[in-house]
Amino acid sequence: AQTVTQSQPEMSVQEAETVTLSCTYDTSESDYYLFWYKQPPSRQMILVIRQEAYKQQNATENRFSVNFQKAAKSFSLKISDSQLGDAAMYFCAYRRGKETSGSRLTFGEGTQLTVNP
Amino acid sequence: GAGVSQSPSNKVTEKGKDVELRCDPISGHTALYWYRQSLGQGLEFLIYFQGNSAPDKSGLPSDRFSAERTGGSVSTLTIQRTQQEDSAVYLCASSIRDRGSYNEQFFGPGTRLTVL
Repeated sequence: AQTVTQSQPEMSVQEAETVTLSCTYDTSESDYYLFWYKQPPSRQMILVIRQEAYKQQNATENRFSVNFQKAAKSFSLKISDSQLGDAAMYFCAYRRGKETSGSRLTFGEGTQLTVNP
Repeated sequence: GAGVSQSPSNKVTEKGKDVELRCDPISGHTALYWYRQSLGQGLEFLIYFQGNSAPDKSGLPSDRFSAERTGGSVSTLTIQRTQQEDSAVYLCASSIRDRGSYNEQFFGPGTRLTVL
């Protein structure tokens, strides 16, 4: 079974600075996806960024980027130029590859990010 | 277009009562997932529907939990004889298809269930 671990229950960052959220996972599969989701107080889960395991290049989306270390099974999220609107719970998630049906998401425990003005 | 909708937004019930939670997926999405988020926890998978295939019920925590999806669209999650440990946010997600290339799961706002 796949597991996802987020070892930082809470993190804080000053506005305009950079913060990195950590995630490790365990799987025996070679084809999978990794995701970072944001959940503000509204409860709406919002996809921030995704990474395909077969791609060596780290994904980036504007101020958000990942450091994907496949051998170490590590998948951290870097938020640059942090904004007040980035404050939320962040979840790391794993999904089996596209050739597998029933591709549920397996989530970590989450990291609560606070952005200080 | 409209996103995934869920109702009710909040539900308070007494221990032992039955509850029904509803999910309206995005039109045309054939895959539908239910997840549960207990207080301070990540999301855990409950059940998955894909088209007309038999649902994957492997995440349901007990036989008090059941779900159906009528006409390949709306889904209802039913919890019978609710217990206090059922208190959680229940999230629904849908995707346009499951097999083949990557398909993003779009989440609804969830239903917060409180069992007194």
